[in-house]
Amino acid sequence: EIVLTQSPGTLSLSPGERATLSCRASQSVSSSYLAWYQQKPGQAPRLLIYDASSRATGIPDRFSGSGSGTDFTLTISRLEPEDFAVYYCQQYGSSQGTFGQGTKVEIK
Amino acid sequence: EVQLVQSGAEVKKPGESLKISCKGSGYSFTSYWIGWVRQMPGKGLEWMGNIYPGDSDTRYSPSFQGQVTISADKSISTAYLQWSSLKASDTAMYYCARHRGVGANRDAFDIWGQGTILTVSS
Repeated sequence: EIVLTQSPGTLSLSPGERATLSCRASQSVSSSYLAWYQQKPGQAPRLLIYDASSRATGIPDRFSGSGSGTDFTLTISRLEPEDFAVYYCQQYGSSQGTFGQGTKVEIK
Repeated sequence: EVQLVQSGAEVKKPGESLKISCKGSGYSFTSYWIGWVRQMPGKGLEWMGNIYPGDSDTRYSPSFQGQVTISADKSISTAYLQWSSLKASDTAMYYCARHRGVGANRDAFDIWGQGTILTVSS
């Protein structure tokens, strides 16, 4: 099983600042099959990025994904008030998908 | 509109059985894999398994193999997650979600149900 480790656990930032979230895999993720999701309290997760760097439908361009192999990054260029949430990475390159433990982006 | 609508909240006792549902609409239900994801209270997301409603091909995470059963009834565009004997540790929110690509079981989840909250308590 591929284990995903996200860092930091919590990111305290102000609106307008840049957020950089990391996701590291225990082994190489096949074909960059990595996604990022946003989850707000009381809501289902929402797909932001798939295949490491492709934005999902309707996702603002302030969200971007990069990386390959074992190291992946989600960048939010300028935080909007609605971006404060928990973010999860997920790999789906192996026969079973696995999620990271999440990074909480909170208002400083 | 493409959507997945899940059955309502459940409160059960340990040892009871349960089947929760996830109904798809607005797309070809038989052409996309459906997955199930667990979220225990205050915790992260866990991939449980998935099913292709077209032929009921099913895969399980080793952590959930033998603990739950995933099924689907394509005639009514509905996927199911069931337990034969619930435990208190099954208390969680359960989401169904559609894999993004046609026929692809290795893909991101692009459409999510609203979740079904399960409480197991004596």
